[in-house]
Amino acid sequence: KNQVEQSPQSLIILEGKNCTLQCNYTVSPFSNLRWYKQDTGRGPVSLTIMTFSENTKSNGRYTATLDADTKQSSLHITASQLSDSASYICVVSAANGNKLVFGAGTILRVKS
Amino acid sequence: NAGVTQTPKFQVLKTGQSMTLQCAQDMNHEYMSWYRQDPGMGLRLIHYSVGAGITDQGEVPNGYNVSRSTTEDFPLRLLSAAPSQTSVYFCASSRRIGGRAIEQFFGPGTRLTVL
Repeated sequence: KNQVEQSPQSLIILEGKNCTLQCNYTVSPFSNLRWYKQDTGRGPVSLTIMTFSENTKSNGRYTATLDADTKQSSLHITASQLSDSASYICVVSAANGNKLVFGAGTILRVKS
Repeated sequence: NAGVTQTPKFQVLKTGQSMTLQCAQDMNHEYMSWYRQDPGMGLRLIHYSVGAGITDQGEVPNGYNVSRSTTEDFPLRLLSAAPSQTSVYFCASSRRIGGRAIEQFFGPGTRLTVL
């Protein structure tokens, strides 16, 4: 069964600190993996998208990594800011890229 | 360029009532979809459309209908609301960004409560 598991479920960090969110998937055949940021009361917004051949992609202070062999991805946030408080969702595309499997998300709270 | 718009933002229904959630996009995307988001779960696909006049079922289609008469609009109809349909509903439109990848743009969501 195609699944995407994210950890931790929630995380609280101090402003300025770094953190890493994890995503493990069993989706096959793999097409691509993306990370979304979802602010409270809003729709998800894309941060990064990686295909099979890419193992790292950055977007400002966000860096995503992908290990297609172990089927794991991580999202690293550097020098966190209060505005980083949100839910971060890992999404894996299967087959021709149209079928998306969503993780439940990691809720990040950055406090001052 | 408004992107993806959804109305209403909030709605309360009684069991058995019907209603339509509106979704519109101005990006000329062919692919549109509806998701529901429940606490502790990932977004689940309800229905999707690959172009005007073409719709198909997703993972959780029961109790919902869709139509796609134009490229811009993709309304979601609840036929007879049930408490199990209490959720946040997101509409998304998508474009190809090379190869097999698609990029999705989500609307702001509709928070629906069924009493």
